[in-house]
Amino acid sequence: DVKVTQSSRYLVKRTGEKVFLECVQDMDHENMFWYRQDPGLGLRLIYFSYDVKMKEKGDIPEGYSVSREKKERFSLILESASTNQTSMYLCASSLRDSAFPYEQYFGPGTRLTVT
Amino acid sequence: KNQVEQSPQSLIILEGKNCTLQCNYTVSPFSNLRWYKQDTGRGPVSLTIMTFSENTKSNGRYTATLDADTKQSSLHITASQLSDSASYICVVDGGSQGNLIFGKGTKLSVKP
Repeated sequence: DVKVTQSSRYLVKRTGEKVFLECVQDMDHENMFWYRQDPGLGLRLIYFSYDVKMKEKGDIPEGYSVSREKKERFSLILESASTNQTSMYLCASSLRDSAFPYEQYFGPGTRLTVT
Repeated sequence: KNQVEQSPQSLIILEGKNCTLQCNYTVSPFSNLRWYKQDTGRGPVSLTIMTFSENTKSNGRYTATLDADTKQSSLHITASQLSDSASYICVVDGGSQGNLIFGKGTKLSVKP
């Protein structure tokens, strides 16, 4: 079974803090994704990565950065957390397009509260 | 504009009853359509994936249909169980990496 794990289920941070959200997958997937999910808005893509050290902006990258130094690990960084970044953050992974249509496997999510 | 619209927003049914959730999309190009189940406080889990050439796919008590001409899909749940209480999300894949368009979901509550 594919396993996608996220470092924290719940996180509370203060405005202005630097926040790291970690995601690890154990299926040697090339693609990894970070989404945020807010009530009434559905899932929105923040960043994705299709290879080590590669990254692409999604629909809402402002205020976020990412890092992918190893294939299995994809980190989301909030450089200076703000209250409007309070949300549920979901990581996902998948094989690359050659395994089309590729299945995305999601982690359990991190509920981040910024006060 | 690429959009995925789901209806109803929420639904309450009695255990053992059937229900159908709807999804309309305007995504182009279209590659495939997925249905996910998301339990409260958890990540989404895939139920079905259908390409444009498939018009129905089943996964146990879940049956998804796709009409690529009218750009509509439905998810039918048969003999509902309490564990079916969750949000069901329709997702359309536009065919390139990172190009998944998510609906806002239908929240289903199954009552005893």
